[in-house]
Amino acid sequence: RKEVEQDPGPFNVPEGATVAFNCTYSNSASQSFFWYRQDCRKEPKLLMSVYSSGNEDGRFTAQLNRASQYISLLIRDSKLSDSATYLCVVNADTGNQFYFGTGTSLTVIP
Amino acid sequence: DAGVTQSPTHLIKTRGQQVTLRCSPKSGHDTVSWYQQALGQGPQFIFQYYEEEERQRGNFPDRFSGHQFPNYSSELNVNALLLGDSALYLCASSLLGSSYNEQFFGPGTRLTVL
Repeated sequence: RKEVEQDPGPFNVPEGATVAFNCTYSNSASQSFFWYRQDCRKEPKLLMSVYSSGNEDGRFTAQLNRASQYISLLIRDSKLSDSATYLCVVNADTGNQFYFGTGTSLTVIP
Repeated sequence: DAGVTQSPTHLIKTRGQQVTLRCSPKSGHDTVSWYQQALGQGPQFIFQYYEEEERQRGNFPDRFSGHQFPNYSSELNVNALLLGDSALYLCASSLLGSSYNEQFFGPGTRLTVL
């Protein structure tokens, strides 16, 4: 079983739409959780850390459900510039090893 | 504030050759992790260096080795290159002991093995 699983998509949504991505992780002892954004042929960039109580940054909201071992990312009022691949990342309990999902592709359509 | 830098940006090698990739961490960071990202996949953890020692290692063969220097910069070496080693190699830096261990990535080195 993979450490982190994501729906690869693609998600094609119109501008202004709300879109949600989910990600599940297998190690119940995982400590830290993140969403990274990766544009085509570029490096991943940290979008948000995901805190236990959930957190919001502008149009982006991240949630963590430890009981069900999943993480979500909600994007409201989608912009064309949100088109990218969104990577779910989990920090294993064994240290600083990050496990990445395969990424979810989002295209926002005018 | 300089971010993570990597060199070279692109590299073409043939099977059996050896390659060395370089990374300088973000200012103030002391830990460097290396990842391999194949096309259409998420990054896969190769290993992590702290205090000039390999701290943790992912599921990669011994052909992959590394080093960290006193100034925290790091190298990734791959011997006996295979076609399957073609990928984007990413370096990420972090500060050990920071509250959330966020990692910041360099632009990557795109390696093509022919």
